[in-house]
Amino acid sequence: GAGVSQSPSNKVTEKGKDVELRCDPISGHTALYWYRQSLGQGLEFLIYFQGNSAPDKSGLPSDRFSAERTGGSVSTLTIQRTQQEDSAVYLCASSLMGSGNTIYFGEGSWLTVV
Amino acid sequence: QQQVKQSPQSLIVQKGGISIINCAYENTAFDYFPWYQQFPGKGPALLIAIRPDVSEKKEGRFTISFNKSAKQFSLHIMDSQPGDSATYFCAARGFGDAGNMLTFGGGTRLMVKP
Repeated sequence: GAGVSQSPSNKVTEKGKDVELRCDPISGHTALYWYRQSLGQGLEFLIYFQGNSAPDKSGLPSDRFSAERTGGSVSTLTIQRTQQEDSAVYLCASSLMGSGNTIYFGEGSWLTVV
Repeated sequence: QQQVKQSPQSLIVQKGGISIINCAYENTAFDYFPWYQQFPGKGPALLIAIRPDVSEKKEGRFTISFNKSAKQFSLHIMDSQPGDSATYFCAARGFGDAGNMLTFGGGTRLMVKP
């Protein structure tokens, strides 16, 4: 499809396990973002990738969270040693460079840590 | 710290009425102000956006009013319909000190009663 694709759409994991969430942005989009949305809450910025520049990691809540973007396209968000408070929807988005360009969101990966 | 403050948190409007959601921001370096609409189980989708060089933008039943001096902007939904029931997020974006990502308000859950 032409939109931002995320997988898995749903993930249930045991506390302490590591999880990987994948994002496939819209083709040609150089900017890629990860946000977190807790139940009934707003969107919390996690990390931003722009082309070959160093990513803006200022939103990552702890060192258990990391993300990479390979070849300027697909991104993986990794959460190590998951905790129950990590349960949320993880949303990926992409856009062309430039502040006025629309940011398109995927449908999210619903993570439940039990 | 960058902030976008949104109110109200929830809103109930009768069909045909006007829904009004307000946002205020702090960082004058923001230069792009979109509104996103999110239905349950879906990612946010761009609804309408404005740049600070205009005071109003209208698209169909949706209007953004922008007050640069007050650092406030609002979304007006005219002739509100039950299909408009969703969560609405205002956001702000800029570059440099304003950050390269969207900063979101806390969201407003709108319910339009038939």
